[in-house]
Amino acid sequence: DAKTTQPNSMESNEEEPVHLPCNHSTISGTDYIHWYRQLPSQGPEYVIHGLTSNVNNRMASLAIAEDRKSSTLILHRATLRDAAVYYCILRGVYSGGGADGLTFGKGTHLIIQP
Amino acid sequence: EAGVAQSPRYKIIEKRQSVAFWCNPISGHATLYWYQQILGQGPKLLIQFQNNGVVDDSQLPKDRFSAERLKGVDSTLKIQPAKLEDSAVYLCASSLTLGSTEAFFGQGTRLTVV
Repeated sequence: DAKTTQPNSMESNEEEPVHLPCNHSTISGTDYIHWYRQLPSQGPEYVIHGLTSNVNNRMASLAIAEDRKSSTLILHRATLRDAAVYYCILRGVYSGGGADGLTFGKGTHLIIQP
Repeated sequence: EAGVAQSPRYKIIEKRQSVAFWCNPISGHATLYWYQQILGQGPKLLIQFQNNGVVDDSQLPKDRFSAERLKGVDSTLKIQPAKLEDSAVYLCASSLTLGSTEAFFGQGTRLTVV
């Protein structure tokens, strides 16, 4: 899986939007961009994923650059419960027969100030 | 829906002892993963099962680590003998099948080797 680059940490205020960046300049045409987050003392949980178009779900939005070399996870109104490590992961389209485990980097530690 | 269950939550052992971790995936999930997460790092895949067969164990230190999923449901991960550097959180995850979008993680077992 191709490599991603994220800031080590970011800080934001409660009830404000948060934009978490991810660079993936070596992304291939069939790589999906996945985001997971890990709350303190918990296992990672899926947040969102996309290929080319921007995506929205109940947790967050994913904005993907036109050249797909970067993406941004957007939390529209952060709460204290959003304090976590956020991982940006590239995952190739599954073609059958092989492994499909996730390759995690160090992620971004998001700190939310009340 | 019940999530991925892991036990124990915490374990402290002396080096050279053996230890086993247990995982019960979400009902009906054919794919099961074991990850190792060292403090300050993202999770690293150790082994992946599809039903009771191994799909990928390329990153499993086979001289001391072993894992099984005999009936294609529960799984155990064993370390024998443990080393200090095995201190980590061991996470179990499951997904519906190979290529599924989302993996569901348990809370993990925190192992301390002294």
